[in-house]
Amino acid sequence: GQQLNQSPQSMFIQEGEDVSMNCTSSSIFNTWLWYKQDPGEGPVLLIALYKAGELTSNGRLTAQFGITRKDSFLNISASIPSDVGIYFCAGQHTGTASKLTFGTGTRLQVTL
Amino acid sequence: GAVVSQHPSWVICKSGTSVKIECRSLDFQATTMFWYRQFPKQSLMLMATSNEGSKATYEQGVEKDKFLINHASLTLSTLTVTSAHPEDSSFYICSAHLLLGYTFGSGTRLTVV
Repeated sequence: GQQLNQSPQSMFIQEGEDVSMNCTSSSIFNTWLWYKQDPGEGPVLLIALYKAGELTSNGRLTAQFGITRKDSFLNISASIPSDVGIYFCAGQHTGTASKLTFGTGTRLQVTL
Repeated sequence: GAVVSQHPSWVICKSGTSVKIECRSLDFQATTMFWYRQFPKQSLMLMATSNEGSKATYEQGVEKDKFLINHASLTLSTLTVTSAHPEDSSFYICSAHLLLGYTFGSGTRLTVV
């Protein structure tokens, strides 16, 4: 099935640094979601975006829904050790029985 | 908040046997649930959409006779992996759609030996 392309695939950063990752698609989505997955767990929703151009924050996290509706980015400011995990974007088309298409994931590792 | 409970969290079975995974919505009713499979270091791939009271809708390439889905009530969907083989070893995750988004179970690690 279709997957969304995320970059970078993985990143090592130092505690306190800002992080930026993005997600691109060849098709338009009407909703973009960002999830974090810890090892052996299901994904947990971080931010949901519903309108093109929308910029939404959740604590140290900020995400934007691209104007073209084919991309989104997630920024994490002042990273801390518990930010370690895999971040997935997910897109939803309207009228497709609410199915989500997940991105390829960005693995984040934070060093002290 | 809305919670989806998934059991078991891990299971080891012998090749050729069947394994049932349960997904329950604890404090809400879920007419639609989704089943995903995730191989190591890969993304979540949708297997099927489970609809309460009707047949599940399977994604292309997913064998419906091998991955049996039952959604007999508004709070329970089950995935049965029949005649499991080592290549079925994976992390299986269920999800329910809510008004404001999706909530995921904690996943089931299946190992077929």
